Amino acid sequence: AQSVTQLGSHVSVSEGALVLLRCNYSSSVPPYLFWYVQYPNQGLQLLLKYTSAATLVKGINGFEAEFKKSETSFHLTKPSAHMSDAAEYFCAVIGGAAGNKLTFGGGTRVLVKP
Amino acid sequence: DAMVIQNPRYQVTQFGKPVTLSCSQTLNHNVMYWYQQKSSQAPKLLFHYYDKDFNNEADTPDNFQSRRPNTSFCFLDIRSPGLGDAAMYLCATSTAQGEQFFGPGTRLTVL
Repeated sequence: AQSVTQLGSHVSVSEGALVLLRCNYSSSVPPYLFWYVQYPNQGLQLLLKYTSAATLVKGINGFEAEFKKSETSFHLTKPSAHMSDAAEYFCAVIGGAAGNKLTFGGGTRVLVKP
Repeated sequence: DAMVIQNPRYQVTQFGKPVTLSCSQTLNHNVMYWYQQKSSQAPKLLFHYYDKDFNNEADTPDNFQSRRPNTSFCFLDIRSPGLGDAAMYLCATSTAQGEQFFGPGTRLTVL
């Protein structure tokens, strides 16, 4: 069965500092990987996706993520945090026995300090 | 703009009183999903449809039902809501490649 682990349920960063959110996955087949962002009382919005093309994926709002097969990781980064980045972030994977159903990580809540 | 729409955004019901949540999409996607999301948790899949082919997750309570009368619309019926059913309910659609597009959600309060 697939699983996704997000290290750290809460991350606090200063405005202008690097944002790094960690995601590791287990999958028996090459996965498709996604990062979603959720603002309070909103649905999930796709930040970026990896679908077996370039391993460095650029998304919206200045975020990017790098797929590293050897480390089974798909960490999300942004060079300079903005107050508007305060939200919940979910890493997710599809593929394998689960077909096109998303398997989510537990989520990481980002707090941005002025 | 093509999108996933959920109505209402906030729903209040009484313990045991049936409630229906609505979802519509203008993306013309074959696959639609209903998720339940409780506070500080990831979304939990309840059902999904591939066209009219209905797929129920094994641990979805019998209290939850769903209908998809056509490609554009999907409904979530909660027959007898309990306090534990208070949550955000998210509807999503997906492309053939599996990328999912989410609606804004309906927050359900059970009194």
